[in-house]
Amino acid sequence: AQKVTQAQTEISVVEKEDVTLDCVYETRDTTYYLFWYKQPPSGELVFLIRRNSFDEQNEISGRYSWNFQKSTSSFNFTITASQVVDSAVYFCALSGWGETNQAGTALIFGKGTTLSVSS
Amino acid sequence: DSGVTQTPKHLITATGQRVTLRCSPRSGDLSVYWYQQSLDQGLQFLIQYYNGEERAKGNILERFSAQQFPDLHSELNLSSLELGDSALYFCASSVGPRPPLHFGNGTRLTVT
Repeated sequence: AQKVTQAQTEISVVEKEDVTLDCVYETRDTTYYLFWYKQPPSGELVFLIRRNSFDEQNEISGRYSWNFQKSTSSFNFTITASQVVDSAVYFCALSGWGETNQAGTALIFGKGTTLSVSS
Repeated sequence: DSGVTQTPKHLITATGQRVTLRCSPRSGDLSVYWYQQSLDQGLQFLIQYYNGEERAKGNILERFSAQQFPDLHSELNLSSLELGDSALYFCASSVGPRPPLHFGNGTRLTVT
């Protein structure tokens, strides 16, 4: 079965602090994709990044960076110099290749981490 | 704006009733997914359609059903509603049968 675990339920930081959101996944598929989504207080789900299982290169986009480690089944997300506007719920998600589960290629989400950034 | 349109935004109804949620995917997207978000269950995948055909099923109750029409819009039908069905229902779409998914703003369903 596929599973995504975000062990951190809530994190609170002060502006300009760096923060890392953890994500651990389980899948039997040999090919899969990992994602991060952001859900701000307004409620919409915003796509942030997709990585495939064959590409372990870390990625940086502005203040955001992602560290994918297949050996530990982790796909962690770091926000550098956090800002109040980063306050949101962040979801890690997994999409398999559809080989081994009924959900096919649908996104399986973790429970989310609520990040609160205060000024 | 993701380009995915969901209507209505809010829906309040009573237990035992039936409701229909509607979703228009982004232009050009062939896949539509339905998700339920509740405080206790988180974001749960319900069902996926691709170009009119059911492609994958998640934790969708038998009281719930969905379809995708020839114009690619989709409807999620929820019947014999219970208090526990109160949740935010998201529709998402993608170009092909695989993510990334682009989500609509959701329909907030309240069952009283």
